[in-house]
Amino acid sequence: EAGVTQFPSHSVIEKGQTVTLRCDPISGHDNLYWYRRVMGKEIKFLLHFVKESKQDESGMPNNRFLAERTGGTYSTLKVQPAELEDSGVYFCASSRLGAEVHGYTFGSGTRLTVV
Amino acid sequence: GQQLNQSPQSMFIQEGEDVSMNCTSSSIFNTWLWYKQDPGEGPVLLIALYKAGELTSNGRLTAQFGITRKDSFLNISASIPSDVGIYFCAGANSGGSNYKLTFGKGTLLTVNP
Repeated sequence: EAGVTQFPSHSVIEKGQTVTLRCDPISGHDNLYWYRRVMGKEIKFLLHFVKESKQDESGMPNNRFLAERTGGTYSTLKVQPAELEDSGVYFCASSRLGAEVHGYTFGSGTRLTVV
Repeated sequence: GQQLNQSPQSMFIQEGEDVSMNCTSSSIFNTWLWYKQDPGEGPVLLIALYKAGELTSNGRLTAQFGITRKDSFLNISASIPSDVGIYFCAGANSGGSNYKLTFGKGTLLTVNP
C-alpha cells in the first residue's frame, strides 16, 4: 500500500506570506495527525482528525494555523501569515481506528523555512 | 505539559560497538515507543512497549518499559553503519480514540565504519 504522502517536501517563504501543506494519509486510515519539529527540539503534536472531525487541536500554536480535512480524506495545514518561528519540519501521520496502540505511519515531512 | 528527557543528545561510535539511550518522564505513560528517523524521511516505528517492566527485542534492538512507567531505554547491539540516524522515544496514554504522542528531543547516532 502507498505510504503517507506529504507535499511539498520543502517550502521557503517570506515572513507574512501564506503557505499550505498537504497530507494524503494511507487509504482507509481514519486517524490523521499533524506534528511539527522545530530545529533541535522535540517533535510536537499539533492536532488529530478522526475522519473529517477535529478530535484534538490542543497543540495548535495559535490562530495563524488552520487545519482542514474535508471529506475525511486528505488534509491541509495552512499558515497565514507565516512568522519566522514557524520554521521547522511538519509531519503528518495516519493510522486505522483501533490500531492507535501500534503507532502511526509517518510521512516524510514538509520542511518549511520562513525568511 | 508532559515532557520527555532523552539522552544522550548525540553519540559517535565505532562499528560493532553497543549503544544505549534512554528517556525519562515527569509523568506516567502506559505506552512507550521508539522511532528511528533517516535523513529526509519520517520517523519509523522500531519497538512498542505496552506493559511496565516489559522487555522487547527486535533483531539487534532491545527496549524496556520502566517499572515506574516513567522511563524507557533502547539498546542497539553490534552497531552497523546503517544504524546512523536520529532515534526518538515517545510516550503515550491511550484514551478514547486519541493517541497523542509525546516525543523526546532525539539522539543523533553516528557510526564510524
